[in-house]
Amino acid sequence: EVQLVESGGGLVNPGESLRLSCAASGFTFSTYSLNWVRQAPGKGLEWVSSISTSSTYIYYADSVKGRFTISRDDAKNSIYLQMNSLRADDTAVYFCARGEAVAGRFDYWGQGSLVTVSS
Amino acid sequence: DIQMTQSPSSLSASVGDRVTITCRASQRISTFLNWYQQKPGEVPELLIYGASSLQGGVPSRFSGSGSGTDFTLTINTLQPEDFATYYCQQSYSTPLTFGGGTKVEIK
Repeated sequence: EVQLVESGGGLVNPGESLRLSCAASGFTFSTYSLNWVRQAPGKGLEWVSSISTSSTYIYYADSVKGRFTISRDDAKNSIYLQMNSLRADDTAVYFCARGEAVAGRFDYWGQGSLVTVSS
Repeated sequence: DIQMTQSPSSLSASVGDRVTITCRASQRISTFLNWYQQKPGEVPELLIYGASSLQGGVPSRFSGSGSGTDFTLTINTLQPEDFATYYCQQSYSTPLTFGGGTKVEIK
């Protein structure tokens, strides 16, 4: 069974940093692309970032480019999202999602991790 | 960036109805169009990919069509568990973009 479990969310002040993790199981991790998608409270879905197999290709939404960094560790079956210079409009539930191709469709999703940026 | 526009933003329907949701892309995206269902408090689930391919495990009452800029998600014989918000997403190019969502409510 495919499982994606996010962790690392919480309440931070504007300008601070946070690192999200997503631990995967139930599939051959190294052969899949992974993604972060977020959803602000009561709002729709917004793609954040994608990372291909072997980290060959990495993409970011303009809204996070230069502030967020996606990475993966195939030995740990995990991906990460390092979020710096956080702003109030980064407040959202952050979902980890699997994709067969980089920046494609999302066929499995984690339960999400809530990030709240507020003073 | 490719803008995805869904219509309507919400609709009311009864169990047994046929429901159609449309999604329009601001430029041609071939069939790189995916549909998701999200129930309140739950995680999005992939329903349709490549505009018309049914994801494994998804009931056959869901279907998708379209190519280029205009796409449709159809739910035949609406069931109680289908009341949810539906999102389209283009995977033609980055940045990947979603439509604003269509909330299907009980009439």
